[in-house]
Amino acid sequence: DTAVSQTPKYLVTQMGNDKSIKCEQNLGHDTMYWYKQDSKKFLKIMFSYNNKELIINETVPNRFSPKSPDKAHLNLHINSLELGDSAVYFCASSDIRNTGELFFGEGSRLTVL
Amino acid sequence: AQSVTQLGSHVSVSEGALVLLRCNYSSSVPPYLFWYVQYPNQGLQLLLKYTSAATLVKGINGFEAEFKKSETSFHLTKPSAHMRDAAEYFCAVTDQAGTALIFGKGTTLSVSS
Repeated sequence: DTAVSQTPKYLVTQMGNDKSIKCEQNLGHDTMYWYKQDSKKFLKIMFSYNNKELIINETVPNRFSPKSPDKAHLNLHINSLELGDSAVYFCASSDIRNTGELFFGEGSRLTVL
Repeated sequence: AQSVTQLGSHVSVSEGALVLLRCNYSSSVPPYLFWYVQYPNQGLQLLLKYTSAATLVKGINGFEAEFKKSETSFHLTKPSAHMRDAAEYFCAVTDQAGTALIFGKGTTLSVSS
């Protein structure tokens, strides 16, 4: 069983469209994250949820909206996609009471044309 | 604020040679430090972590790292490189709140035969 799974793995879409990426973890962790990896491979945190509550909300355009229906799921919805949104988006989870080690999904590569 | 600096964006070694990837950290609190590896088109996988126990940390695939507080360093080493070690390597530190990881910019390791 995959510990952290994201769908879709690849997403190609036009500018101006709205798209969502879904993430699920079966590790029983209480905290989930979205990280963005740009074309230079730099990883930057976007959001974090702890038990469905938003705890990290970095400087991200408000076109990006995370939603956590329960502590095992964290989705990312992006409105009015722009060329600069093209990146790989990684979902991760952790047990925040532990050492903070993150467990990552395989990533969702978003290409905006 | 917490941060990590990875010296050298690209390191090339021959198969069988020593691997040394450098990481220096900045932290206002005792840090938890991590090394992750990313193979092409995959998510990040934990290699090893320092959580204030032993300063020499052994990880998977023959890698190890030594925490040196006096030098604020956490360099990653492997005595003998294999072709399969070619990947992107990221050093990370927990943020001040202990709620997320802050990543360095990554080092690409190339291994030639």
